[in-house]
Amino acid sequence: NAGVTQTPKFQVLKTGQSMTLQCAQDMNHNSMYWYRQDPGMGLRLIYYSASEGTTDKGEVPNGYNVSRLNKREFSLRLESAAPSQTSVYFCASSELGRDNQPQHFGDGTRLSIL
Amino acid sequence: GQQLNQSPQSMFIQEGEDVSMNCTSSSIFNTWLWYKQEPGEGPVLLIALYKAGELTSNGRLTAQFGITRKDSFLNISASIPSDVGIYFCAGSGTSYDKVIFGPGTSLSVIP
Repeated sequence: NAGVTQTPKFQVLKTGQSMTLQCAQDMNHNSMYWYRQDPGMGLRLIYYSASEGTTDKGEVPNGYNVSRLNKREFSLRLESAAPSQTSVYFCASSELGRDNQPQHFGDGTRLSIL
Repeated sequence: GQQLNQSPQSMFIQEGEDVSMNCTSSSIFNTWLWYKQEPGEGPVLLIALYKAGELTSNGRLTAQFGITRKDSFLNISASIPSDVGIYFCAGSGTSYDKVIFGPGTSLSVIP
């Protein structure tokens, strides 16, 4: 029962480097999400995908791009990493198209930008 | 934009004590969700609420959808060490609104 799997778990980058965070879910969910978590700020939505082939911006999309590769996979790309992007990144998925449904989260990717 | 506030920000309690925390919004919500996050893991759903006034339990946890639809409450009875973690509320205004998350309440339980 993997649920939502994120890779890598940890990563250190230098300013200006690029990186792709991977996410896959095995629950046949339609919707997938990327959040960042910073101390004292809860979870902020970066991008989401309501269904395969569609993506939309969330609250904090600047500096990120996403790809919904298929129904299972949703990747997040940092083209030119900046120290302000140091954070813990969570991928989540939910079953139905409606966005108020409970989400299932991965265990996160801890990203440090030097 | 919409914002959620959670109080208290952190709690230190003795094992066996009951815990109460709440979440408030500046606007009306139709859905309230409560999640728990343990160190090094992602949030896990505890309770989902969809009707004003709804009271739902999950073991020692009880959550309520406030009657004004601008708040929600989570109670934990007889706390145990494994209750340690950060508790997040989340909510949305309509079924087509994205869920937003509160900043969390950090709970520490002293054995």
